[in-house]
Amino acid sequence: AQKITQTQPGMFVQEKEAVTLDCTYDTSDQSYGLFWYKQPSSGEMIFLIYQGSYDEQNATEGRYSLNFQKARKSANLVISASQLGDSAMYFCAMSSLDSASKIIFGSGTRLSIRP
Amino acid sequence: SQTIHQWPATLVQPVGSPLSLECTVEGTSNPNLYWYRQAAGRGLQLLFYSVGIGQISSEVPQNLSASRPQDRQFILSSKKLLLSDSGFYLCAWSAGQGDQPQHFGDGTRLSIL
Repeated sequence: AQKITQTQPGMFVQEKEAVTLDCTYDTSDQSYGLFWYKQPSSGEMIFLIYQGSYDEQNATEGRYSLNFQKARKSANLVISASQLGDSAMYFCAMSSLDSASKIIFGSGTRLSIRP
Repeated sequence: SQTIHQWPATLVQPVGSPLSLECTVEGTSNPNLYWYRQAAGRGLQLLFYSVGIGQISSEVPQNLSASRPQDRQFILSSKKLLLSDSGFYLCAWSAGQGDQPQHFGDGTRLSIL
């Protein structure tokens, strides 16, 4: 069975600093995908970044990068130069590339950016 | 471009009443469709997913049901709502491959009185 663990229920970061949100996973699948989503207080889920288990390079999307360490089964999200608009809930998620396209989500981390 | 529409945005229902939430996707064919529920301050719980018309997989046994009468339409229903059905319901779609992200609707906030 697949499992996603986010151990940081909440984080406070000063504006313009970098922040790392932790995510560890467990799966017996050989091929899988890892996602990060942002959920502002308005409720919508916004896709941020994707990493495939077969990708050798860490994914990057603008200020977002994914620190993928396959041996440690971790997929941490790094946000550089944080902004006030980054305050939101962040969810790590995982899919299996071997079977039906389900995605399971972690419990989330609430990130608050201080001005 | 693809868009997903989910309605209503907010719903207040009495215990024991029926429920129907609708979700439609535009701009793509044969999407995978999903219903999630999110309790306040918590993660997303997958309720149902569908890989095609009439094909529904249930993840959590409960008094909810889902149907997919058309390729891009996904409906969440209940015959009799319980207090525990309160929450934020999100519909999502994805392309067929597991390396494609899910794209979410704006959600429905359901309150049961």
